[in-house]
Amino acid sequence: NAGVMQNPRHLVRRRGQEARLRCSPVKGHSHVYWYRQLPEEGLKFMVYLQKENIIDESGMPKERFSAEFPKEGPSILRIQQVVRGDSAAYFCASSPSSMIGGNTEAFFGQGTRLTVV
Amino acid sequence: QQQVKQSPQSLIVQKGGISIINCAYENTAFDYFPWYQQFPGKGPALLIAIRPDVSEKKEGRFTISFNKSAKQFSLHIMDSQPGDSATYFCAASKGNYQLIWGAGTKLIIKP
Repeated sequence: NAGVMQNPRHLVRRRGQEARLRCSPVKGHSHVYWYRQLPEEGLKFMVYLQKENIIDESGMPKERFSAEFPKEGPSILRIQQVVRGDSAAYFCASSPSSMIGGNTEAFFGQGTRLTVV
Repeated sequence: QQQVKQSPQSLIVQKGGISIINCAYENTAFDYFPWYQQFPGKGPALLIAIRPDVSEKKEGRFTISFNKSAKQFSLHIMDSQPGDSATYFCAASKGNYQLIWGAGTKLIIKP
C-alpha cells in the first residue's frame, strides 16, 4: 500500500537546463496537487490537476513551468530553463476526490529537492 | 490578506511539558484550519484540523483552540515527547486545496 511516490528525491541542474519532477499518487487517487517549499517557509500552492485536466494553476508561474497528469503514468512538473531561484523542495499530494469544500485529506510525498547550480 | 502568521519560529520544551504554537489569519472567508507535522526529509502529514463552527478540537494529546473573533488558532501538545520533535505548520483555506501555509515552527522536545 504505497503512499505518494516522488522521484527523484534530489535533483541537481545547471542554470538553463530542464527539470522534470515525477509524482505517482496513491493508487486510486485521481487528484494531484503540487506545492513548492523554500527553506524556512511553508508550502506554496502551485497547481491542482485531475486526470488529463488542469483544474487550477493559479499558483504556478506563467513562464517556464508546466504540469500534466496523463491518463496513464505519473504527474509531471516540468521546469524549463531553470534559474537559481527555482531551487526549492517540490511536494506532490494526492487525494481520492476533490478537496474543494469537502473533508478529503491529501497525502503528501517526500518531495523532490531541486538545486540549481 | 492571504497571509497566515505563525509563531514562534522555534520552540524548546521539556519532556512532559505543554507545547503551544500560535497562528493568526486575516481572511474571514477561510473555513478550514489544519495543522501539519513534518519530519526532516519527509512530506507534511495532516495532524489535526478544525472548522470555524467549533472552538476546540482534541485528538489524543493534540488540541486545536480556535478564536473566531480574534482570527487566531493554536495547537497545544500535552505531555510533549521527544518523538514530537518536528516542524509544525498551520494552514488555512477556503475550501481545502489552496492552503495558505504559515512559515512553520521547529519544535524540539528535550528529554
